[in-house]
Amino acid sequence: TQLLEQSPQFLSIQEGENLTVYCNSSSVFSSLQWYRQEPGEGPVLLVTVVTGGEVKKLKRLTFQFGDARKDSSLHITAAQPGDTGLYLCAGARSSGNTGKLIFGQGTTLQVKP
Amino acid sequence: EAQVTQNPRYLITVTGKKLTVTCSQNMNHEYMSWYRQDPGLGLRQIYYSMNVEVTDKGDVPEGYKVSRKEKRNFPLILESPSPNQTSLYFCASSLFWGLSYNEQFFGPGTRLTVL
Repeated sequence: TQLLEQSPQFLSIQEGENLTVYCNSSSVFSSLQWYRQEPGEGPVLLVTVVTGGEVKKLKRLTFQFGDARKDSSLHITAAQPGDTGLYLCAGARSSGNTGKLIFGQGTTLQVKP
Repeated sequence: EAQVTQNPRYLITVTGKKLTVTCSQNMNHEYMSWYRQDPGLGLRQIYYSMNVEVTDKGDVPEGYKVSRKEKRNFPLILESPSPNQTSLYFCASSLFWGLSYNEQFFGPGTRLTVL
């Protein structure tokens, strides 16, 4: 059972288009992170959201944490080929400070020039 | 340079032959963790350690062992590897574990094939 469902799993778009990736769960998370992974490398943190309803912007990337802290979205404006990669969301469960981090299955993004 | 290192980067082995994948971080991080990455499944946590001598199971601990005798090292041990443990393994560390802070710094990965 995947506790964090990401959608879509694959996305192929043209340079300049906008896109949104979703990360959904029935569980509440105390924090949620977004990572980007390139082939042959480990994931690299993009952002952490903590407060329900929080919106964070990183240049052309906008991250939102749902009001109930069960879901998050990543929106990319005017995608560029350099945005190509695997995007992963990860959450820390709010019930108990267990040290467990749960990842979604990832969204593979291809931006064509 | 602050980093997480893993060795080996690539390993092909046979069923039942014990192996160890080493992980070391030079950032004085308290928290360390092992993940495996399989197509369509994202990253799944195997074991984690909140601090020296403190380890706990993640979501997929079966067939794996870990130890945390010193802060910088967190080796992953496969006592009797099986083909279903063929995967891409990542070690990660974090300054500490907090519900609102748990940024993971990942190593470069170890690609393991068990024949």
